[in-house]
Amino acid sequence: EVHLVESGGGLVEPGGSLRLSCAASGFTFSSYEMTWIRQTPGKGLEWVSYIPSRGGTIYYADSVRGRFTSSRDNAKNSVYLQMNSLRVEDTGIYYCARDMDGAIRTDYWGQGTLVTVSS
Amino acid sequence: DIVMTQTPLSSPVTLGQPASISCRSSQSLVHSDGNTYLSWLQQRPGQPPRLLIHKISNRFSGVPDRFSGSGAGTDFTLKISRVEPEDVGIYYCMQATQSITFGQGTRLEIK
Repeated sequence: EVHLVESGGGLVEPGGSLRLSCAASGFTFSSYEMTWIRQTPGKGLEWVSYIPSRGGTIYYADSVRGRFTSSRDNAKNSVYLQMNSLRVEDTGIYYCARDMDGAIRTDYWGQGTLVTVSS
Repeated sequence: DIVMTQTPLSSPVTLGQPASISCRSSQSLVHSDGNTYLSWLQQRPGQPPRLLIHKISNRFSGVPDRFSGSGAGTDFTLKISRVEPEDVGIYYCMQATQSITFGQGTRLEIK
């Protein structure tokens, strides 16, 4: 059974940093792309980042480019989202989703982790 | 960015009756590979989104056959043939032809 578990969310002040993790199980992790999506009060569901299965270009939404960095460790079946220079509008639930370009997109989602940016 | 517009934003439905949600994209969702990456997701209260339909009309694993998708180009529809209590939630269309964008969501509620 496919299972995705996000962690690392919490309360942080504007300008602060957080590192989110997503642990995957139940499938061959290295064969799938992964996507981060967030759900915010202001914009609803918003795509954040896409990371290929093995190397290659990582893509970011304009709203986070230059502040967020995605990475993955296929040996640990995990994907990460380093979030720097956080803003109030980054507040929301962050989901990781299994993805496959050219096939079924975002077929499984994790439960999400809540990020709150507030002073 | 491709803008996805859903109608209605709220849909009160009687149990056992059909429901229909429309989604329109600001440009064609036909990808250069010939596929149309239009999906429908369901978000039950307190839960993450769950994939129901992919590539316009393909039901995902475990999705009941009362859910169906149709459409082409820029206009798409999700239909529920007979609404059940567990169908309450918010439904989103999502396009993955050019990056990924979502509709604003349609809240399905029981009358």
